[in-house]
Formats: sequence, structure tokens, C-alpha cells
Amino acid sequence: QVQLQESGPGLVKPSETLSLTCTLSGASISNYFCSWIRQPAGKGLEYVGRIHPGGSVSYNSSLQSRVTMSLDTSKNQFSLMLDSMSAADTAVYYCATISYSGYMPYWGQGTQVTVSS
Amino acid sequence: DIQMTQSPSSLSASVGDRVTIICRASQSISTSLHWYQQKPGKAPKLVIYGASSLERGVPSRFSGSGSGTDFILTISSLQPEDFATYYCQQSFNSPPTFGGGSKVEFK
Repeated sequence: QVQLQESGPGLVKPSETLSLTCTLSGASISNYFCSWIRQPAGKGLEYVGRIHPGGSVSYNSSLQSRVTMSLDTSKNQFSLMLDSMSAADTAVYYCATISYSGYMPYWGQGTQVTVSS
Repeated sequence: DIQMTQSPSSLSASVGDRVTIICRASQSISTSLHWYQQKPGKAPKLVIYGASSLERGVPSRFSGSGSGTDFILTISSLQPEDFATYYCQQSFNSPPTFGGGSKVEFK
């Protein structure tokens, strides 16, 4: 059974960089596209970006200048870094796998990230 | 980016009711449309993929239809565990985009 688990700080100061990690269990990360999705409180879902098993990335153009994703196949993990955090980035951040057809069958439980001084 | 519009944004229904939720894309997306169910404090759960394919383990009272720009999620007989918010998502173009959600509430 494929499971994902996000980890990282729950509180980030304005202008600082967010760093989150997603650990995949029950399968090899080499077999999946992996993505980050975020959801502000009471709002809808926003795609942040994805990383291919080979390491190529695709980011939401609205965040592209601030986002970096990476993969560590030895640890079965992938990571998100988001620079210059502001209050607008406060959200629950989910990691999820993406199938070749573009749907997201497996999700982490989500981690709340709050931007505040 | 492709815009996804859901209607209604919320609806009230009773157990046993037939519920339909509409999702419209700003351009044709073939059948690259997927539906998720989200309960409060939980991650979204895939319900339907490819417009009409039922995800494994999802009850058969859920069904999806449509192609091009107009899509429908139907719950044939609403059960207590179905009260949730439902989101559509397109994967025809990058970036993937989601509808604004449709909340199914207890009448």
C-alpha cells in the first residue's frame, strides 16, 4: 500500500524559505511522478509543481520564480523549497503522486504551514 | 491556464437523494477530468478518473460522465459518509487545475 508523509516546520517567518519533505513508503519513488499541492484554509486546491522520476521538474508559473523541487531516490523522498514566504503562502501543503494520465491517486495527510513573525 | 468551474458551490441533500455536480472547463479537455472527495481535515481522495472510471474501492453509487468541456459527477443514493466537498481537476494541460469545490451538506 502506497503511503506518503509530509514533514517540515509548521511555522515560517516572512521572507524566509520553506522546506518540506515527502517520504514515500510501500513503493519506489522511481516509479512515480510526485507533486505538491497546497490549500489555504477554507479555500480550494492549488497545484505547486511536480517532479519526474528522472529529476525533471514542472512548476506552476505563478510560483515558478520561488519554487525548487528535488528528489532523493536513496531515501525514497522528494522535497519542496519555497522562497520568500509571505502570509499568502499560509496553507496546508500536500504531497501526492501523479499518474501518467494526470490524476493523483495517493496523497499525504497534509502539513499546516503558517507564515508569521 | 485552463479554468475549471464547478456548480453548485454548495448543496443541501438528504440520505438517499440523487446528487449531481457539474464541472465545466474553459476549453476542451477531452476526458482528462478527475474527481476528488475531501472531508474536513483530510486529504482529497480520488473518486473518478478519466471522466468516468471508478477508482478502486469507491462505491458504485459514484459515477462520472462527460467529455470536452462539460462533466458531471453523480451520487445515485447519498450516504452519510458522502457528505464532503468534491473537486474536479483537469490534466489536459499543465499546470493541472482544480475547480473551486462543491460542498454537499446535510439538509
